[in-house]
Amino acid sequence: QLQLQESGPGLVKPSETLSLTCTVSGGSISGSSYYWAWIRQAPGKGLEWIGSIYYSGDTYYNPSLKSRVTISVDTSKNQFSLKLNSVTAADTAVYYCARHFGYGSGQFDPWGQGTLVTVSS
Amino acid sequence: QSVLTQPPSASGTPGQRVTISCSGSSSNIGSNYVYWSQQLPGTAPKLLIYKNNQRPSGVPDRFSGSKSGTSASLAISGLRSEDEAHYYCATWDDSLRGVVFGGGTKLTVL
Repeated sequence: QLQLQESGPGLVKPSETLSLTCTVSGGSISGSSYYWAWIRQAPGKGLEWIGSIYYSGDTYYNPSLKSRVTISVDTSKNQFSLKLNSVTAADTAVYYCARHFGYGSGQFDPWGQGTLVTVSS
Repeated sequence: QSVLTQPPSASGTPGQRVTISCSGSSSNIGSNYVYWSQQLPGTAPKLLIYKNNQRPSGVPDRFSGSKSGTSASLAISGLRSEDEAHYYCATWDDSLRGVVFGGGTKLTVL
């Protein structure tokens, strides 16, 4: 059974870079037709797609975040990562990783449990 | 402001049938599949409906999805207390070249 688990610092200072990693177990990131995605949810708010990556490194991002986001993949560790730079309090959110059924799809399944990242000095 | 529009809340009594709407445009719902997720309190979202009206294995047939033009709906029949959750619609947007979500609907079982 495929499982995803987010990890990383729970507190980031304003103007610094938020870094998270998603570890995939029960299946391989590479050699399949799936993408791997980051999605976030600000406290009490709805869901926002951040971006997705293919095992080959092909990426696409939410245009509203594109200038600050980098998603990378490490197939040897079966992990993919998120970097969001120049963070502000508005980036405080629960960050989820999920398997994404590809460009043109809005299907995410399964999701990780999520990790809360607070931006504060 | 979300690209897809959902009512912020919905409610029903046990056994009742409720529907949740999701409105978009020609660049998103009008030309792509719609997906629905359920988020129980304090948990991660879970896929409920894919490709407009398909249920993943394990999702009860009380849940059904439909799409017409630039709008979609999620219907829940035989409402149960454990259905109390937030429900989100999602789709691809051809203009934005990315995934868009609705703002979510909080379902209360009275």
